[in-house]
Amino acid sequence: EPEVTQTPSHQVTQMGQEVILRCVPISNHLYFYWYRQILGQKVEFLVSFYNNEISEKSEIFDDQFSVERPDGSNFTLKIRSTKLEDSAMYFCASSEDVLLQYFGPGTRLTVL
Amino acid sequence: AQTVTQSQPEMSVQEAETVTLSCTYDTSESDYYLFWYKQPPSRQMILVIRQEAYKQQNATENRFSVNFQKAAKSFSLKISDSQLGDAAMYFCAYRNSGAGSYQLTFGKGTKLSVIP
Repeated sequence: EPEVTQTPSHQVTQMGQEVILRCVPISNHLYFYWYRQILGQKVEFLVSFYNNEISEKSEIFDDQFSVERPDGSNFTLKIRSTKLEDSAMYFCASSEDVLLQYFGPGTRLTVL
Repeated sequence: AQTVTQSQPEMSVQEAETVTLSCTYDTSESDYYLFWYKQPPSRQMILVIRQEAYKQQNATENRFSVNFQKAAKSFSLKISDSQLGDAAMYFCAYRNSGAGSYQLTFGKGTKLSVIP
């Protein structure tokens, strides 16, 4: 069964550094999403992406974040200058239509 | 803004028994979707069951069923004949049905343990 995959599973970075989190959505899916979960807190929506543009974003998704679909398979989340509070589990999801979202296993980002 | 509340941080159930996980939500919308996701340890979230708010009939998927009380804004998940593989975090989630609104709003989750 097709799955959403994410790399790396764990990323450690220094504060102020740029990180790129990678996702490979399910191949025929058209909608892509990023969520994050700070330890002990709720899973929070960051952004949705459709037809090569952002369709919706939350207040969390400020100018330090960006998303891109650089080729036909990858979907990336870039954090330009990481802060300590960016430490979280980042989940990618994809959907064929707008209803059912399929999640990846997550990337644990640790900012030191 | 919509909110989702799961008041049970942890639950446990004996194998083969039935357990109910609670979820309440707050919204001013009349049409929306509700979901339960399961997250086994170190694994991705998997959709367990979904409910469209306009449907009065409660959704059922094998051993999983919901009790959807629209007026009370309650959406509980019942797991019958619990199995060891049901042990996981369970997240309740809400989504507006309107065009252009795709984000899921999650509760904090309930950690379910299954006792052999």
